[in-house]
Amino acid sequence: DIQMTQSPSSLSASVGDRVTITCRASQGIRNYLAWFQQKPGKAPKSLIYAASNLQSGVPSKFSGSGSGTDFTLTISSLQPEDFATYYCQQYHTFPWTFGQGTKVEIK
Amino acid sequence: QVQLVQSGAEVKKPGASVKVSCKASGYTFKTYGINWVRQAPGQGLEWMGWIRIYNDEKHSAPKFQDRLTMSTDTLTSTAYMDLRSLRSDDTAVYYCARGFTGDSWGQGTLVTVSS
Repeated sequence: DIQMTQSPSSLSASVGDRVTITCRASQGIRNYLAWFQQKPGKAPKSLIYAASNLQSGVPSKFSGSGSGTDFTLTISSLQPEDFATYYCQQYHTFPWTFGQGTKVEIK
Repeated sequence: QVQLVQSGAEVKKPGASVKVSCKASGYTFKTYGINWVRQAPGQGLEWMGWIRIYNDEKHSAPKFQDRLTMSTDTLTSTAYMDLRSLRSDDTAVYYCARGFTGDSWGQGTLVTVSS
């Protein structure tokens, strides 16, 4: 199975901060990577697919980059509604796998 | 708009089976696959399996291969996830999600396994 490792596991940030989350795959997955946001008690929400493509309706403060094994999700200016847990997922090779999640908390 | 609506919460005893449904609307059902993902209390997301609707191709995570059955009913645009031989550690919220990229998710179904 392809292992997806996110870092950090959690971070504290202030409103207005620029935040970057990293996701590393244990083997190359080209750009078959998605990012999701999940708030407590809610279903995950898709943010980005194919590593850098924003889902329809997702604000442009979210951006993704990377290819191969190393990927990043960036939030350009953190807002109160962005405090949540973020997951990456590879869909290059079955079984598809998620990272362990990164919890973004208020400083 | 695209919507996935899942069946309601279930309480099962160890050893039993559970069948969760996921009714799709707002798009042509056969043109997207359906993922099944679960989340145990306080834990992360765990991918369980994927079914491609138009040709019934299926893939599941090795840990579920012996216990998981995924199916669809194209007449009602509904996907189903059947998990057998339930254990207490199968207690989780189960989600369906559309397509390779999971662009739309159901609201989740809480399955509690308890004696």
